[in-house]
Amino acid sequence: LLVESGGGLVQPGGSLRLSCAASGFTFSTYSMTWVRQAPGKGLEWVSYISSSSSTIYYADSVKGRFTISRDNAKNSLYLQMNSLRAEDTAVYYCARDRGYRDYWGQGTLVSVSS
Amino acid sequence: EIVMTQSPATLSVSPGERATLSCRASQSVSSKLAWYQQKPGQAPRLLIYGASTRATGIPDRFSGSGSGTEFTLTISSLQSEDSAVYYCQQYNNWPWTFGQGTKVEIK
Repeated sequence: LLVESGGGLVQPGGSLRLSCAASGFTFSTYSMTWVRQAPGKGLEWVSYISSSSSTIYYADSVKGRFTISRDNAKNSLYLQMNSLRAEDTAVYYCARDRGYRDYWGQGTLVSVSS
Repeated sequence: EIVMTQSPATLSVSPGERATLSCRASQSVSSKLAWYQQKPGQAPRLLIYGASTRATGIPDRFSGSGSGTEFTLTISSLQSEDSAVYYCQQYNNWPWTFGQGTKVEIK
């Protein structure tokens, strides 16, 4: 089970930190990912982190603004989002990443607007 | 970046009929292809991985085929609960990319 939190309304240029709490599997042995979906649009991969945090990737659209991290002791995944833009408005999902994403959270909505 | 192109954009099928969805990759992704189902207001759900392996709990009316650049998701006998958007995703080359989705409607 994956449960996201931390979404909300933020002004352009602002920051938010998303969290994803994992349970029901050995979190520390799996890579994790964030995927987002703008209103009425398709799925867009945002960021990936390996089980030990040794490998991290970002989509070009968020590189330099977003930071992914994890705390295996707390079974938690995070996404620090800075310098937010209107185009970052979306539902953000965390997912277990085995190449294919086999477990997904319910999503948390991030709205960037003045 | 590998571009995944799905067709058609919308598919209208009668209950009990077969639905065939296509996904094409801009270069070979071997068999590293997954399919997801997303219903309104819900998270995506994994249906198929490895191009043809059904995920846990997925009914056998869902099947996947293909390799290289051409893939197909078939729903053998469409049920009302299959109304959704279906996405393909390759995981052979970073960044792993999604198709734009096919909306399946019940006629």
